[in-house]
Amino acid sequence: AQSVSQHNHHVILSEAASLELGCNYSYGGTVNLFWYVQYPGQHLQLLLKYFSGDPLVKGIKGFEAEFIKSKFSFNLRKPSVQWSDTAEYFCAVTASGSARQLTFGSGTQLTVLP
Amino acid sequence: GAGVSQTPSNKVTEKGKYVELRCDPISGHTALYWYRQSLGQGPEFLIYFQGTGAADDSGLPNDRFFAVRPEGSVSTLKIQRTERGDSAVYLCASSPALTIAGGSTDTQYFGPGTRLTVL
Repeated sequence: AQSVSQHNHHVILSEAASLELGCNYSYGGTVNLFWYVQYPGQHLQLLLKYFSGDPLVKGIKGFEAEFIKSKFSFNLRKPSVQWSDTAEYFCAVTASGSARQLTFGSGTQLTVLP
Repeated sequence: GAGVSQTPSNKVTEKGKYVELRCDPISGHTALYWYRQSLGQGPEFLIYFQGTGAADDSGLPNDRFFAVRPEGSVSTLKIQRTERGDSAVYLCASSPALTIAGGSTDTQYFGPGTRLTVL
């Protein structure tokens, strides 16, 4: 079974700072990788996803993530955060075969100070 | 509809009572998922439907939990003899169940959740 680790539970940044949120997964096979975001009072929304091909994927709102297979990592990055990026961020993985359920990390709460 | 909808948004019940939580998926999505999110945790998988049948119910914690999707659209999660430990946000997601040769390219879209509180 797969598992996902997000080592940063709470990150506090000032506006315009650069962001990198760590995500490591444990699974021996081929995976699909996702980052979801949950803004205050809103439901989970897809930020970006990786299925295959270019390991650097770009998502909405200037976010990107890089899949490094050798490190089992899929870290989320943004060069300059905004106050509106304050939210909880979840990394998730699913095996790309027949299994379809997402396995989520425990989430990282990002607070951006104006 | 435009997105996944879930009702009710909040449910407060007493220990030992029976509850039903409803999910309306995105129109045309054949796959439907239930997850449970406890405070401070990521969502945890409960059950997955492909059409009307439960393709994987390995995440259901015990036999007090049951889900149905009789017509392949709306789904109901049913919890019998609720316990305080069942308190959580119950999330529903749907997807078009896309696949390509050799794997899935499926993306799940989540509803707003039902916050269940068992007193």
